[in-house]
Amino acid sequence: GQSLEQPSEVTAVEGAIVQINCTYQTSGFYGLSWYQQHDGGAPTFLSYNALDGLEETGRFSSFLSRSDSYGYLLLQELQMKDSASYFCAVKAIYGQNFVFGPGTRLSVLP
Amino acid sequence: SAVISQKPSRDICQRGTSLTIQCQVDSQVTMMFWYRQQPGQSLTLIATANQGSEATYESGFVIDKFPISRPNLTFSTLTVSNMSPEDSSIYLCSVERMEVSGREQYFGPGTRLTVT
Repeated sequence: GQSLEQPSEVTAVEGAIVQINCTYQTSGFYGLSWYQQHDGGAPTFLSYNALDGLEETGRFSSFLSRSDSYGYLLLQELQMKDSASYFCAVKAIYGQNFVFGPGTRLSVLP
Repeated sequence: SAVISQKPSRDICQRGTSLTIQCQVDSQVTMMFWYRQQPGQSLTLIATANQGSEATYESGFVIDKFPISRPNLTFSTLTVSNMSPEDSSIYLCSVERMEVSGREQYFGPGTRLTVT
């Protein structure tokens, strides 16, 4: 099976950099994804890592290390609108289903 | 990308009744997914709906409780049967696409269900 772990809450100030970690146990997966969800909204895709290394998309970057069963989402130049929940997710090779982490609630303070 | 709509957006239902949630995608997709999300919690996959075959249910979810239809490549329904207050949740449908950025899931806006 698959299981993912994330910190439940992270707090940072505007303009800062924050890293949200995701550790996982899985028998095999295609890649690690990150989703953002604002209160009352649907999850929206942020980033995807199929291979080890860093993927950068604007202020957001994501990292994967399969050997360490570890990934993270890096948010730079934090803005108030970044306050949301962030989920890591994997798509299992066996079973073809997606498994989501428990989510990290990010609060950005002025 | 994919644009997904769901109906109803919210509903309040009495225990023992059933509610059918509709999910419409703006383009053809092979697999559609149904999730449940309790407020403040993560997403839990209920089942995967493939066109032309029976849905595949995850552990803890059964067809009698959550029957799914997938009549074509752009539409699916999820029924929550014989509801109890424990079924109060947000139900989301989603589809997967292979984009340049990788495997992306697109989600509908969700259906907020309250069972009294």
